[in-house]
Amino acid sequence: KAGVTQTPRYLIKTRGQQVTLSCSPISGHRSVSWYQQTPGQGLQFLFEYFSETQRNKGNFPGRFSGRQFSNSRSEMNVSTLELGDSALYLCASSLDSSPGRDSPLHFGNGTRLTVT
Amino acid sequence: GQNIDQPTEMTATEGAIVQINCTYQTSGFNGLFWYQQHAGEAPTFLSYNVLDGLEEKGRFSSFLSRSKGYSYLLLKELQMKDSASYLCAPSGGYNKLIFGAGTRLAVHP
Repeated sequence: KAGVTQTPRYLIKTRGQQVTLSCSPISGHRSVSWYQQTPGQGLQFLFEYFSETQRNKGNFPGRFSGRQFSNSRSEMNVSTLELGDSALYLCASSLDSSPGRDSPLHFGNGTRLTVT
Repeated sequence: GQNIDQPTEMTATEGAIVQINCTYQTSGFNGLFWYQQHAGEAPTFLSYNVLDGLEEKGRFSSFLSRSKGYSYLLLKELQMKDSASYLCAPSGGYNKLIFGAGTRLAVHP
């Protein structure tokens, strides 16, 4: 079974631009979550989707948005990029609507975004 | 508010036992996960506790005390490949995990 796939692996953008990151979950998983990882802050929750509905959102500005498609694939978008948005963006998928021993989050390898 | 505390770094010797502590304060609690993350790689699932007590899984065990907001991860018979970051993550509802900054473990020969 293929794991969580994120594309692209690396991105370099300039301030003010926008970016779209893509995530394909493990087949059969309906929940997709997004996290931002930086050396100083660790992993911070961005949002979570289940069956195309956003159920939870973290404390990020409105420049960060996402969506989930009917095939469970998800995209996140960051508009008007700032230098501080440079980070590793991780996507995770889960089988069930709530986490547990049999339905932990499975992470992709991430997209490393550099904003110059 | 939400707060997760873990030691930033730990070192240990190959073959030894190490305990990584985590204290947490969250507005909702559905259980606690531990993840391992090697440098440059994705976090991988290690353990999950929802009830108080110890869960054992091979060389790794995890303990939870809900009333104290406390968990630990115990690694036995340490191997060099255990050098990684270990992330404590209480679940705050649905699939929202709240991660600590992680503990970087260095295992020496």
